[in-house]
Amino acid sequence: DSGVTQTPKHLITATGQRVTLRCSPRSGDLSVYWYQQSLDQGLQFLIQYYNGEERAKGNILERFSAQQFPDLHSELNLSSLELGDSALYFCASSEGISNYGYTFGSGTRLTVV
Amino acid sequence: AQKVTQAQTEISVVEKEDVTLDCVYETRDTTYYLFWYKQPPSGELVFLIRRNSFDEQNEISGRYSWNFQKSTSSFNFTITASQVVDSAVYFCALIRTSGTYKYIFGTGTRLKVLA
Repeated sequence: DSGVTQTPKHLITATGQRVTLRCSPRSGDLSVYWYQQSLDQGLQFLIQYYNGEERAKGNILERFSAQQFPDLHSELNLSSLELGDSALYFCASSEGISNYGYTFGSGTRLTVV
Repeated sequence: AQKVTQAQTEISVVEKEDVTLDCVYETRDTTYYLFWYKQPPSGELVFLIRRNSFDEQNEISGRYSWNFQKSTSSFNFTITASQVVDSAVYFCALIRTSGTYKYIFGTGTRLKVLA
C-alpha cells in the first residue's frame, strides 16, 4: 500500500457524461499530481496542486478540472466525456512543492462507452 | 526539451535469463533525476529506483541492477535470472530540478518472462 488512495478503482460511463475521481494523498504530503495513462499518449502529466493551490499544468483538456481541498484530498473532474478519455488516471503525492520523485496511487481505470 | 526514449517496445525471455532494458534520455539541464517504475498487470506504478544526475555509481538491489552513463545519456536496467513475476511494463522517467516537477516518462518496455 503506497499510502495514496484513489477511488473508485474502476468507472464505466457513457459519452457526454461527467465523472469525479478522488485522491487522498499520503499523510503529511501537501502536493498532489494527476497523470493520465492512455494507449496512444502514454503517461502524461495533467496538473499539480500544492496545499490547495494550483502549481503547474500539463496536458490537461479544458473539459477537465481539478481542485485540492483544505483536507488536502483532491478531485479530478472530467466532463463531456469522449471515448478517447478512456484511460488509467493516476494520482501521486509528495511532501513539498518540488520533491524529486513521488508516490503513486493505484489508479482509477475509466472506460467511456 | 526533455525526452525519454525506450526503444524496446516488448521483450520476451525465458525464465532465468538475464535481460537489459534500455533507456536513453535528453535534457539540457545539468541536474535532474532519473527513475525506473514497474507496472505489473494489476496496473499500479511501483517505484524501483531514483538516481540523481551527479551520482553515476551503478546500483545493485538483489536481482536488479542499474547502469547510469551520463556520457551516453543512458540509464539501463538489468534483471538477472529473470522470473515470471518480473513480467510487467517498465517505465524509465526523468524529473527536472527546476520549473515544473513533472515526470517525463518513456513509452515503456513490456517484459514477458516465460516459464
